[in-house]
Amino acid sequence: VQLMESGPGLVKPSETLTLTCTVSDDSFLSGSYYWNWIRQFPGKGLEWIGYIYDNENTYYNPSLKSRVSMSMVTSMRQFSLSLASVTAADTAIYFCARASLVVQSRYFDSWGQGAQVTVSS
Amino acid sequence: EIVLTQSPDTLSLSPGETATLSCRASQRIGTNYFAWYQQKSGQPPRLLIYSAFTRATGVPDRFRGGGSETDFTLTISRVEPEDFAVYFCQQYGRSLPWTFGQGTVVEI
Repeated sequence: VQLMESGPGLVKPSETLTLTCTVSDDSFLSGSYYWNWIRQFPGKGLEWIGYIYDNENTYYNPSLKSRVSMSMVTSMRQFSLSLASVTAADTAIYFCARASLVVQSRYFDSWGQGAQVTVSS
Repeated sequence: EIVLTQSPDTLSLSPGETATLSCRASQRIGTNYFAWYQQKSGQPPRLLIYSAFTRATGVPDRFRGGGSETDFTLTISRVEPEDFAVYFCQQYGRSLPWTFGQGTVVEI
């Protein structure tokens, strides 16, 4: 499987960041995976943003919960991230990644290459 | 939230030496729902180890994961030039959110 992020590289403060991840194969249609967003800050730390599965089931990291939403478009093999009211602290590389729904296998086994997002006026 | 603390922050080695990386969890991680990732510059993290000690497909056997409950280790035997990278630990237990350690840089 391959995953690829797309979206604007520059977002103004207070606006909404929107990214899309396109999945290359039918694993997206299998209903067997969590579809995740993870970001990496300039200092290299990783933060898990949350996941979506089965079109509407989501979990968002409490640290971002008030500003985050995720959605899926199964027919396009795509899932998306929206992060509202961004500030410079949201500047990061945003990765999409896959994890199995099986409890003992919920590690991130496939990652996109990442999308650099800079928040600046 | 389970906090993962990695040590050391940076490990300086020569090729052929053994690297030992540690990750301590603030709470017990059930049934070893624990992974290690390797990240090289300009690339996404790559899964190395899952379930605390199982190597992912294609990972050389010089990488060995160990530990349990709150203390986990990644050992790299006979470090090769391509092993110099940043290594992250991660827990994917039943307690959300899933979290990462801050990373250990393995450098020459």
